[in-house]
Amino acid sequence: DVKVTQSSRYLVKRTGEKVFLECVQDMDHENMFWYRQDPGLGLRLIYFSYDVKMKEKGDIPEGYSVSREKKERFSLILESASTNQTSMYLCASSWGLNQPQHFGDGTRLSIL
Amino acid sequence: RKEVEQDPGPFNVPEGATVAFNCTYSNSASQSFFWYRQDCRKEPKLLMSVYSSGNEDGRFTAQLNRASQYISLLIRDSKLSDSATYLCVVTLSSRGSYIPTFGRGTSLIVHP
Repeated sequence: DVKVTQSSRYLVKRTGEKVFLECVQDMDHENMFWYRQDPGLGLRLIYFSYDVKMKEKGDIPEGYSVSREKKERFSLILESASTNQTSMYLCASSWGLNQPQHFGDGTRLSIL
Repeated sequence: RKEVEQDPGPFNVPEGATVAFNCTYSNSASQSFFWYRQDCRKEPKLLMSVYSSGNEDGRFTAQLNRASQYISLLIRDSKLSDSATYLCVVTLSSRGSYIPTFGRGTSLIVHP
């Protein structure tokens, strides 16, 4: 069974901090995704990656960057955290962009 | 106009009822379609893929109508445990790739 693991379930940081969210998948999936989910707005795609060192902007990339140095790991970086980045962050992976995605448990991030 | 639209609900139905949700999409070239289920404060989980000829999995039936650009999910004999948010996902063409795009979800509450 596919396992997508996010490094933290809950995280509290301060404005201006650099924040790293880590995601690891164990099924050799080509594609990995980062979403944020806010009440009433649904899941919004921040970035995705279709191969090692390759990345594409999603719908809301501003204030975020990503890193994929190894196939199994996809990191989301908040360069300088702000309160409007308080959210639930979900990582997902899939074989192909047209294939079903498997999600991690999510990280509930609070920026104070 | 949002690219993937769902009625947010909530749909409030008694146990044993049949309930149906629709999801409309804007891009006629969309390739893949899925329904996910998301429980409160949990990650989305794949419920079923949606195939052109329609498909069934137990009490759940998914249909695709390409001409009218919508997919549907029918739940028969509703159970209390079906209470959740149902998310539709459509892969939409964007910058040369097909990107999975989520609707905002439809909330279902099944009561005794």
